[in-house]
Amino acid sequence: RKEVEQDPGPFNVPEGATVAFNCTYSNSASQSFFWYRQDCRKEPKLLMSVYSSGNEDGRFTAQLNRASQYISLLIRDSKLSDSATYLCVVNINTNAGKSTFGDGTTLTVKP
Amino acid sequence: NAGVTQTPKFQVLKTGQSMTLQCAQDMNHNSMYWYRQDPGMGLRLIYYSASEGTTDKGEVPNGYNVSRLNKREFSLRLESAAPSQTSVYFCASSEMAGREKLFFGSGTQLSVL
Repeated sequence: RKEVEQDPGPFNVPEGATVAFNCTYSNSASQSFFWYRQDCRKEPKLLMSVYSSGNEDGRFTAQLNRASQYISLLIRDSKLSDSATYLCVVNINTNAGKSTFGDGTTLTVKP
Repeated sequence: NAGVTQTPKFQVLKTGQSMTLQCAQDMNHNSMYWYRQDPGMGLRLIYYSASEGTTDKGEVPNGYNVSRLNKREFSLRLESAAPSQTSVYFCASSEMAGREKLFFGSGTQLSVL
């Protein structure tokens, strides 16, 4: 079993739709969680951190469920520019510094 | 405002050749990382340096060596390239190891023939 698992998709949605991605992690000692966005042939860029209480940034909402060991990303009112691959990242907070990446979920928003 | 700079952007090698990928960051970050990304997959950690003077193996270290030259620079060396090392390589840095967000360079597309 992979340490971090994501539904690869692709998710194809019309503009204005709401779409949600889930990511499960296997190590219960995981402490830090992030969503990164990666455009085709580009480097990943941090989209948002995921906090225990859940957090929102504009049209994006991230949630953490420690009991079930998953995090989610909700995108409301999808834009064409949201088309990208979304990577789930999980850290065990030690000085080892190893972030574990999911394989990514591909989103295509269509007109 | 360069952030993380990687060179080269593209490289083609023949099997058995060697090369070094260079990475430098100007954010005064303590930790630096090398990842590889194969098509349709997430990033896999090759080596990392939690702080200047230290390096450690990641998930896929075989066939690679690294040098943390100073706080700014972290290089990745392929001593004898193999076709299985064809990939996109990303360097990243973070303020400290473990919990901080990662800043990535723009990547190196490496093909080994």
